[in-house]
Amino acid sequence: DQQVKQNSPSLSVQEGRISILNCDYTNSMFDYFLWYKKYPAEGPTFLISISSIKDKNEDGRFTVFLNKSAKHLSLHIVPSQPGDSAVYFCAASAYGNQFYFGTGTSLTVIP
Amino acid sequence: DSGVTQTPKHLITATGQRVTLRCSPRSGDLSVYWYQQSLDQGLQFLIQYYNGEERAKGNILERFSAQQFPDLHSELNLSSLELGDSALYFCASSTDGLANTYNEQFFGPGTRLTVL
Repeated sequence: DQQVKQNSPSLSVQEGRISILNCDYTNSMFDYFLWYKKYPAEGPTFLISISSIKDKNEDGRFTVFLNKSAKHLSLHIVPSQPGDSAVYFCAASAYGNQFYFGTGTSLTVIP
Repeated sequence: DSGVTQTPKHLITATGQRVTLRCSPRSGDLSVYWYQQSLDQGLQFLIQYYNGEERAKGNILERFSAQQFPDLHSELNLSSLELGDSALYFCASSTDGLANTYNEQFFGPGTRLTVL
């Protein structure tokens, strides 16, 4: 039972353009969401998070949007850079309990 | 470098065997989490330990067990291995793992287990 879904396994974007990575969830009890970035041969690293009391959180080039009614969140990267090429995982948690991760989206930023 | 170390990096073994994966958390972190990532799967939460005690359990098989030692390092034991156990196993740590708190988890580089 995949409670967090990333339906796009891969995404290619030109350098300088916007990258939009999407994530859907099914559990309405989730109240905290995170994005992790993973390079090959490394563990995931935390990128940005958002609480369910907000609908947007920004950190530099990275912005996460949360649409609770649609149970959807997205990560926007503007402008995209070649170093952003990695696998991105979204994750969700309810009341600080275990995190549920999506299957990941592999982003390739083309120079 | 997250500060979380995992050994070994790679492990190749045969079906029916038993292996132990080791994790050392970041200095000062009390919680350790174990995750499994199979092919085309997301990270599946297995188990969490907090200061030596089991805190939460996820989709961990009965053939798998874990423990956290007084020095806070953790081991994940996988027994009666099957082909489907081949996966990347990640360990993560956080400062605490209390309910209703959100602490960033720092991940190790993972152990790639191949069962032949």
